[in-house]
Amino acid sequence: GDSVTQMEGPVTLSEEAFLTINCTYTATGYPSLFWYVQYPGEGLQLLLKATKADDKGSNKGFEATYRKETTSFHLEKGSVQVSDSAVYFCALSPNTGGFKTIFGAGTRLFVKA
Amino acid sequence: EPEVTQTPSHQVTQMGQEVILRCVPISNHLYFYWYRQILGQKVEFLVSFYNNEISEKSEIFDDQFSVERPDGSNFTLKIRSTKLEDSAMYFCASSPSGGGEQFFGPGTRLTVL
Repeated sequence: GDSVTQMEGPVTLSEEAFLTINCTYTATGYPSLFWYVQYPGEGLQLLLKATKADDKGSNKGFEATYRKETTSFHLEKGSVQVSDSAVYFCALSPNTGGFKTIFGAGTRLFVKA
Repeated sequence: EPEVTQTPSHQVTQMGQEVILRCVPISNHLYFYWYRQILGQKVEFLVSFYNNEISEKSEIFDDQFSVERPDGSNFTLKIRSTKLEDSAMYFCASSPSGGGEQFFGPGTRLTVL
């Protein structure tokens, strides 16, 4: 079945460092891809999305490109801030059936001042 | 900005009891979902609901679980005869159409003693 695999955390970075969180997926058809963020004690918020191959999603300095050839959707940010500390979830929606979202395991990011 | 709301924020119950978790989706959305996140683990899909019926459910969503949209605004998840392993954060989500972004509520933390 469809699935998402993302790098294990925690990831600890200093402020202004470059961030990459790797994500790969397995899916039949043409899924939409997402990154969600969960701040401490809060629910899930959509960070960015891409709906077709080669689309780049971006928001708040974060970017991810839908790579069909490598089935990847890696999250990047050029300069992280302490306020970016959170858990990041890569996810896909198969765009069929009940339109569920399938999540990766999540990657916890700690940013030190 | 419209948002998904959930009540209660925290529910404590005894094993074997029934609980009802409530959600108010965004008013013009047509697709509704329940997910759960056991502490420290990934977010898991439970069920999707459209046009007053279940459109997809996971293996987790067995006869112990049921969903209902009793009126034009609420969307409920009922768990009968709760078990210790039902302890988790339960998230409701809604979307205006199938696929695409889902909007998540803040979650209800269920603790089964």
